[in-house]
Amino acid sequence: IVLTQSPGTLSLSPGERATLSCRASQSIRNNYLNWYQQKPGQLPRLLIYATSTRAPGIPDRFSGSGSGTAFTLTISRLEPEDFAVYYCQQFETFGGGTKVEIK
Amino acid sequence: EVQLVESGGGLVQPGGSLRLSCAASGFTFSSYWMSWVRQAPGEGLEWVANIKEDGSQKNYLDSVKGRFSISRDNAMNSLYLHMNSLRAEDTATYYCGRELLGGAVTLEYWGRGTRVTVSS
Repeated sequence: IVLTQSPGTLSLSPGERATLSCRASQSIRNNYLNWYQQKPGQLPRLLIYATSTRAPGIPDRFSGSGSGTAFTLTISRLEPEDFAVYYCQQFETFGGGTKVEIK
Repeated sequence: EVQLVESGGGLVQPGGSLRLSCAASGFTFSSYWMSWVRQAPGEGLEWVANIKEDGSQKNYLDSVKGRFSISRDNAMNSLYLHMNSLRAEDTATYYCGRELLGGAVTLEYWGRGTRVTVSS
């Protein structure tokens, strides 16, 4: 399976809404799709698992949705600490990442 | 508090070997699948291998099959990655991770990583 994330880079301002896409080359079994955040020089952090379940401690401005081959991570209002790289993952496969940068 | 601490990285020549270790604490190690994930400099994440709670099942990235071996010692709360026939493309920071109960390679906790450089 191949996971394609788009866009590669998203330039937004704090307070704006971010919509990140992850498309799978084939339908994802049980819709088990995860999202991670990684800031420069830091280790990855689990945000969302099983498409839409927030990991403990993750603010509710982060939400996940989707099914089949199309999945979305939405950040409702960007905070300064949200500018990072985001990866989707299904089992052994990671997407290439989307960088959310400050406009 | 869950802690994962990797060690064993370093500079190695192509064709050489290394053994990475991950010391786990703060949870019942023997109850969780564990994974290794790597990240080449400036690149994305790449899952490498994982191992079942009791070590009876192991899975590998195709490009490391036959060269890398994952193992664990539940009495010592430790995870290992034995890497042989190392190539330049294996250069990366290697993270160990604890999977969520129920698996699906969902990495709930990550160590800080250990850097492996394969170069002559």
